[in-house]
Amino acid sequence: KNEVEQSPQNLTAQEGEFITINCSYSVGISALHWLQQHPGGGIVSLFMLSSGKKKHGRLIATINIQEKHSSLHITASHPRDSAVYICAVVLINDYKLSFGAGTTVTVRA
Amino acid sequence: EPEVTQTPSHQVTQMGQEVILRCVPISNHLYFYWYRQILGQKVEFLVSFYNNEISEKSEIFDDQFSVERPDGSNFTLKIRSTKLEDSAMYFCASSERRENIQYFGAGTRLSVL
Repeated sequence: KNEVEQSPQNLTAQEGEFITINCSYSVGISALHWLQQHPGGGIVSLFMLSSGKKKHGRLIATINIQEKHSSLHITASHPRDSAVYICAVVLINDYKLSFGAGTTVTVRA
Repeated sequence: EPEVTQTPSHQVTQMGQEVILRCVPISNHLYFYWYRQILGQKVEFLVSFYNNEISEKSEIFDDQFSVERPDGSNFTLKIRSTKLEDSAMYFCASSERRENIQYFGAGTRLSVL
């Protein structure tokens, strides 16, 4: 059973383009995380949200609890944004993260 | 900025050997986690640790695995007798409280030959 689905699996954009990555989940959650995994393998937490919208620099994350859906937007994309972006959820009354398969983003100069 | 530190960055071992992966969580954090990622697959939860005991573990975390917080700073994952299928990237994470964001270490790449 896959609790977290991400789309698209892969995405290629030209520098400057607006990028959207989607995440859908099938269970009740207390929070949703967006993570960035660099080519070397390290993971960086970008956002944790349970409602509404958060913005950090060129990154915007939104969540719709009723629709069980979240999006990560990258504005004015840059080659350094190239990475795997991972959606992960925390189930209600749980500690651990349940991960999506990730979206590989490639931004070409 | 505080960060989660993992050592070593790469560990190569022979099948059947014991390995210990080390993590230093952020100092005021109370919740600790181990995750793993087999090459080409998604990240999977292994175990969470709070108040000096395991709070939750996955089916992957069988008797070959153990975790310990031997002192006030380190958090270790031990694999008693490694198998080929244990080859993966292992990530440590910590959070201040259960409902807070989790911060990840850079990972330890374990290669079992």
